[in-house]
Amino acid sequence: GNSVTQMEGPVTLSEEAFLTINCTYTATGYPSLFWYVQYPGEGLQLLLKATKADDKGSNKGFEATYRKETTSFHLEKGSVQVSDSAVYFCALSGSSAGNQFYFGTGTSLTVIP
Amino acid sequence: NAGVMQNPRHLVRRRGQEARLRCSPMKGHSHVYWYRQLPEEGLKFMVYLQKENIIDESGMPKERFSAEFPKEGPSILRIQQVVRGDSAAYFCASSPAGLQTYEQYFGPGTRLTVT
Repeated sequence: GNSVTQMEGPVTLSEEAFLTINCTYTATGYPSLFWYVQYPGEGLQLLLKATKADDKGSNKGFEATYRKETTSFHLEKGSVQVSDSAVYFCALSGSSAGNQFYFGTGTSLTVIP
Repeated sequence: NAGVMQNPRHLVRRRGQEARLRCSPMKGHSHVYWYRQLPEEGLKFMVYLQKENIIDESGMPKERFSAEFPKEGPSILRIQQVVRGDSAAYFCASSPAGLQTYEQYFGPGTRLTVT
């Protein structure tokens, strides 16, 4: 079946620290992979995506590379800011997943000044 | 350009009552998806609809839950005879087409509390 596994949170970092949030997936075929961010009290916003192996998605300083060989899509940012505090969700869709999105459980990030 | 709109944002119901959640997709989007987020969990797919059609309801509980997306008006997720376990955040998303390469745009969610 299809599933997404994210690293457990919560994660607390100091401003300007390096961020990695691990995400691995299980799927048949070649799904598209996504990172969504949810700020308090709001809906999910697309952060970045990658649609095929070795693609790198990037946005607002965040990056993630679609690694078929390790079935991973880890999110990274070189220098986090207080405004990055949010919950981050890894997700997959397409291929055997069809139109459904499969989400990880989310990783809460708090950045302290 | 308004995003996906959901109302109400917060809904409180007593056990046994009905809950009706509304979702207006983004302008030009004809595909709507409903997800449920239980506390401390990720979003779980419930149902995928196009105008007047249910395309995939594999994530919907077999009883008490129904969804529609009429030709005119918003999509409605209805929960009859609510129970405490229905307390969750319900998110609606829309997309311009059903192709998997289209990302889905999410609304702010409706937080249902059953007392």
